[in-house]
Amino acid sequence: GAVVSQHPSWVICKSGTSVKIECRSLDFQATTMFWYRQFPKQSLMLMATSNEGSKATYEQGVEKDKFLINHASLTLSTLTVTSAHPEDSSFYICSARASGGAYEQYFGPGTRLTVT
Amino acid sequence: DQQVKQNSPSLSVQEGRISILNCDYTNSMFDYFLWYKKYPAEGPTFLISISSIKDKNEDGRFTVFLNKSAKHLSLHIVPSQPGDSAVYFCAASPNSGGSNYKLTFGKGTLLTVNP
Repeated sequence: GAVVSQHPSWVICKSGTSVKIECRSLDFQATTMFWYRQFPKQSLMLMATSNEGSKATYEQGVEKDKFLINHASLTLSTLTVTSAHPEDSSFYICSARASGGAYEQYFGPGTRLTVT
Repeated sequence: DQQVKQNSPSLSVQEGRISILNCDYTNSMFDYFLWYKKYPAEGPTFLISISSIKDKNEDGRFTVFLNKSAKHLSLHIVPSQPGDSAVYFCAASPNSGGSNYKLTFGKGTLLTVNP
């Protein structure tokens, strides 16, 4: 149980284009989904928190107009990197927390984004 | 300001021995702690957690100890196996759902278990 999928697993795009990453909880309903970014040999940096049906809450320093998050249902959240630049190249990981009072987050396999 | 610290970037252990991974935290509002294991280019996998009302939680080969007064927790893996080789992240969450149960992660410790 508690499986989270992410698609695509890797993507290469050109500067100026937009890329959408999907995160799905496959066998549970996720009240809250989180989006993280990981740079090489560094920790997971929380970008934003999204609750189903409401606007995402972004961490300080994360541009909300650049990283658009939509949490349309209890099993799907999407992250769109708009007008991508090479510095946006990174490993993006989503996680989902089940409904109720559980603290545990279950992570997707991640998406490697390379912007050329 | 790093609120969750894993001061050892790496640890090397012989197969069959005990692995002890350490984590310190500074925020007294944290009341739930988790350990995740991560392989390169994959998402973290949840291992074990502990609430601040406990000082020990055990699950198979994995045991987490919490010392609230010292703001310190540790993960013990015994016996260690080569398949345990990965990066281990300590994470902490503050009390109350008002925080959306956000996790703050340490920088991770690379564990290598040698056959």
